[in-house]
Amino acid sequence: SYVLTQPPSVSVAPGQTARITCGGSNIGSESVHWYQQKPGQAPLLVVYDDSDRPSGIPERFSGSSSGNTATLTISRVEAGDEADYYCQIWDGSSDLQVFGGGTKLTVL
Amino acid sequence: VQLVESGGGVVQPGRSLRLSCAASGFTFSMYAMHWVRQTPGKGLEWVTLISYDGAKKYYAESVKGRFTISRDNSKSTLYLQMDSLRTEDTAVYYCAREIRDGYNYGGSDYWGQGTLVAVSS
Repeated sequence: SYVLTQPPSVSVAPGQTARITCGGSNIGSESVHWYQQKPGQAPLLVVYDDSDRPSGIPERFSGSSSGNTATLTISRVEAGDEADYYCQIWDGSSDLQVFGGGTKLTVL
Repeated sequence: VQLVESGGGVVQPGRSLRLSCAASGFTFSMYAMHWVRQTPGKGLEWVTLISYDGAKKYYAESVKGRFTISRDNSKSTLYLQMDSLRTEDTAVYYCAREIRDGYNYGGSDYWGQGTLVAVSS
């Protein structure tokens, strides 16, 4: 089955740029979605279809995908961005939704 | 859009439980729906998907043959029947709306707050 690999943790200072990667075989040919989850809350979709933002999500959140890596980029990081972030695809060959293991973003 | 799960609780291994997800604020019958679970302190795990009309259902290998997803579009309600529960099924269960239409699938744009299922003797 398809596997998505994320780093367990990423740390960044306020105002800097955070980049969270998601590795998968030829992931550039898939549609990648990203979720933010804060403690005690449900996941929140922050990027869909590689690089689109749902309404209400700040422009500071952006995504890209190419080759074997998809990336969620958070510009001008704020303390409120501290959360777990998950990448996800729909694996059409197996008819399964697949999540990455999640990355904990720490704002220093 | 609002999704409200119910039906969670403590159950013994081998027993059954049925979760419900009441939807409002959108035309429920137009959207496929997912169940996703999360073991406390762990990551997200997709469980199952049902198409907008209930005609197609997909399951993770970990629950195939034990869990059954269904929906009642007249009541705007999604269900998850969980049989032969195991301790490893302990998790918060979320219902979530599929972002694509028709029989196309991708991610989830709205999520409920989740309901906790604890399987323990």
